[in-house]
Amino acid sequence: KQEVTQIPAALSVPEGENLVLNCSFTDSAIYNLQWFRQDPGKGLTSLLLIQSSQREQTSGRLNASLDKSSGRSTLYIAASQPGDSATYLCAVSLSNYGQNFVFGPGTRLSVLP
Amino acid sequence: NAGVTQTPKFRILKIGQSMTLQCAQDMNHNYMYWYRQDPGMGLKLIYYSVGAGITDKGEVPNGYNVSRSTTEDFPLRLELAAPSQTSVYFCASSYSGTGDYEQYFGPGTRLTVT
Repeated sequence: KQEVTQIPAALSVPEGENLVLNCSFTDSAIYNLQWFRQDPGKGLTSLLLIQSSQREQTSGRLNASLDKSSGRSTLYIAASQPGDSATYLCAVSLSNYGQNFVFGPGTRLSVLP
Repeated sequence: NAGVTQTPKFRILKIGQSMTLQCAQDMNHNYMYWYRQDPGMGLKLIYYSVGAGITDKGEVPNGYNVSRSTTEDFPLRLELAAPSQTSVYFCASSYSGTGDYEQYFGPGTRLTVT
C-alpha cells in the first residue's frame, strides 16, 4: 500500500531564508506528483505538478524535484516571505487513469517577519 | 470561471440525520472527487467519478453515497450521520485530456456531527 510522508511536520524560518520541504513515498510506481498549498480554513491550491517522466518543475520562487527511484520529492522555496506561511501537501497519483491519489499529512510552514 | 464551488461552508448535524454536500465545477472537467481531511492527516478519497453517470469508491466510502447526473455537479450524500464523519470535506476536479489530471479544489465544507 502506498504511503506518503512529509518531513518536517512543522517548520519556522525567518523571512528571506531558502528552505526545502520533503515528501517521501513508499512505492515508486507513480504516475505523477503534485504539490499543494493550503491556507488555514481554505481549500488546496495547486503549486506544481511533476509527471513521472520529469525530474523537476519550476514556478517563480518554487522548484519541485522528483526522484522516483528513491521515492522522494522536494519543494524548494527561495527567498521565503511571510505570505508563504501555509501548510504544504504533496500527493502522488498511482495510475494513469487519474482516480487514485494518496496525500501526505503536510508540512506547516511559518515564515517570520 | 468560478472553478470548483461547494455548499454549505459549515454545517452541524445531529447523529442519525442526513444531508447532501453540493459540489459544482464550471471548467468542463470530466473527473471529480470527494475527499475528507481529518486534523493532522492527509486527505482521503471517498468517491470519484470519471464522467457523468460513472462513479466509483475510493479509500473510505462507507457511510457516503454519490451521484453524477451532469458533468458539472457531483453531490455527496451522508446517510445516518455519525460522529466519525466529523471532518472537512473537499471536492476536486481534473481533466483527463491533458494527461496530467492536475486537481483543482473547492474551498471545503466543515461538518460537525454531535
